This record gives sequence, structure tokens and C-alpha cells, in this order.
Amino acid sequence: EEQLVESGGQLVQPGGSLRLSCEVSGFTLSNYAMIWVRQAPGKGLEWISYSNSGSTVKHYADSVKGRFTISRDNAKSSLYLHMNSLRLEDTATYYCVRGRPGPYMDVWGKGTTVTVSS
Amino acid sequence: EIVMTQSPATLSVPPGERATLSCRASQSIRNDLAWYQQKPGQPPRLLIYGASTRATGIPDRFSGSGSGTDFTLTISSLQSEDSAVYFCQQYNNWPPATFGQGTKVEIK
Repeated sequence: EEQLVESGGQLVQPGGSLRLSCEVSGFTLSNYAMIWVRQAPGKGLEWISYSNSGSTVKHYADSVKGRFTISRDNAKSSLYLHMNSLRLEDTATYYCVRGRPGPYMDVWGKGTTVTVSS
Repeated sequence: EIVMTQSPATLSVPPGERATLSCRASQSIRNDLAWYQQKPGQPPRLLIYGASTRATGIPDRFSGSGSGTDFTLTISSLQSEDSAVYFCQQYNNWPPATFGQGTKVEIK
């Protein structure tokens, strides 16, 4: 069974940094594009970052560009999201998602919660 | 950026009846559209991709249609477990791959 398990979410002060991790199992990470999507409390879904399978192509939403970095370690079956200069509006549940050609998103993790507050 | 607009915001339908959800793109996205279902406290689940192809394990009471700018998700016979928020997402012109704001389906 394909699974994605996020971790690393916590309470952080504005301006702080955090690294989210996503460990995958049941499939080979190096064969797939991966995406981070977030959802603020009570709100809709926001696509925030994409990495192709080879990690040679990366994209970011304007709202996080220059502050967040997506990376992966295929040998560890892990995807990461490095988050710097965190703002109040970054408070959300962050989902790690597998990308399929398009990309649409076919397998979702349960999410990890980031709260930015002083 | 392509804007996705879903309607209605909330849909209340008796069990066994048909539910019809709409999604409109601000410009043509061909058939590069996915639908997701999200139940409270759970992550989204892929229902439909390519506007009309059901994902693995999705019951055939869910169907998608449309192309260009106008799309529809139909639940042919609403079950209690279908109570959820449904999101559409375009992946034709990205980044960013944009989502609609969601339609909440309630069982009347």
C-alpha cells in the first residue's frame, strides 16, 4: 500500500524556520513527481511546491517563493520542505502528495500542522 | 493564474438523489481537471482526473464531464458517506496548479 507520512509540524514564532519531512512507502520515490499542498484552518487547498522525479525541476507558489525550498532524498524515500521567514499566514496543515502526469495528485499524506504565532 | 470557480458553495441533497457540482475555469484548460473529496479531519482523496476518468477504487456513482472551461461532477445516487467537501483543480496551465474554493455536499 502506498503511504506518505508527514512530520515536523509544530508551533513556531514569526520569522522562524522549520523543516517538514515526508517519508514514503509502497512505491519508489525516484519514479514520481512530488508536491506540497497546504490548507489553512477552515479554508481551501493551496498548491505550494513541486519537484519532478529527478529533482531537476522545482516550482513554487508566489506566496512562498524565496522562503520555502523543496528537496528530496530518494535513497531515504523522503521529501522535504524547508520553510524560512515564516509568517502568520503560513499557519496551515501541510500535505505531501504524489504527482501524476499533469500533474494531478493521486496519493495524499494525512498532513502535518504548522502554527506560526508569537 | 487560472481562477477556478465552484458552484454552489453548499448543496443539500436527499439520499438516493443526484448531486451535480459545477466548476468553471477562467480560461480553457482542455480536460486537465481533477476532482477531490475531503471529509472532515481527513486529507483530500482523488476522485476524477482528466475531467472524466475515475481514480482507482472510486465507485461508479461518481462521474465527471466537461472540457474547456465548464466541468461537472455528478454523484448519481447520493450515499450518506458522500457528505464531504469537493474541490476541483486544474493542471493545464501551471505553476500554480489552482484549486476551486470547494462545494460542501450535505445529506438532506
